[in-house]
Amino acid sequence: DAGVIQSPRHEVTEMGQEVTLRCKPISGHDYLFWYRQTMMRGLELLIYFNNNVPIDDSGMPEDRFSAKMPNASFSTLKIQPSEPRDSAVYFCASSLNEENYGYTFGSGTRLTVV
Amino acid sequence: LAKTTQPISMDSYEGQEVNITCSHNNIATNDYITWYQQFPSQGPRFIIQGYKTKVTNEVASLFIPADRKSSTLSLPRVSLSDTAVYYCLVGTGFQKLVFGTGTRLLVSP
Repeated sequence: DAGVIQSPRHEVTEMGQEVTLRCKPISGHDYLFWYRQTMMRGLELLIYFNNNVPIDDSGMPEDRFSAKMPNASFSTLKIQPSEPRDSAVYFCASSLNEENYGYTFGSGTRLTVV
Repeated sequence: LAKTTQPISMDSYEGQEVNITCSHNNIATNDYITWYQQFPSQGPRFIIQGYKTKVTNEVASLFIPADRKSSTLSLPRVSLSDTAVYYCLVGTGFQKLVFGTGTRLLVSP
């Protein structure tokens, strides 16, 4: 099992540009989570999906952020337009539909908006 | 979701046993206690989970008293590579996990 795969590993973009982050969860996992990590705010949950359906997006900071999960093996997190304060490491995680199962995180995408 | 409180940082030396305690006074009946480890530039990694009493795996032990209002992660004979941030979380697999600030463990030679 290759684990949770995120791409790109690093992204540098200019303010105002659209950014798309990608995630491939572990096959068979029912839940997918997007987190953002910064020094100031730590790990924040942005949105999570169950069986490809968004369940809770209350952590999405603004309308500039959107997430989709068109199928069980792929999810995207889009920021449009990007701003310097969006600079952070974005993690994707997936989990089985079991009450005592832990999350498996990807290696993250380090986003820098200049 | 139950709120957790853990020390911000801890220091240790190689070969020592490290115990990190987490308080979760409002833990619910169905909640599990899960610990994650995060190295710099990596995502958090699941290390151990328990519901009550004691759980042990190849990495760590987790001690949970009968009232379950706290838990202690025990790392036997730490090495430099155990330097990381350790997060304590409570909840069920069906819930979203809210990470606190974690405990930054520094292991020195």
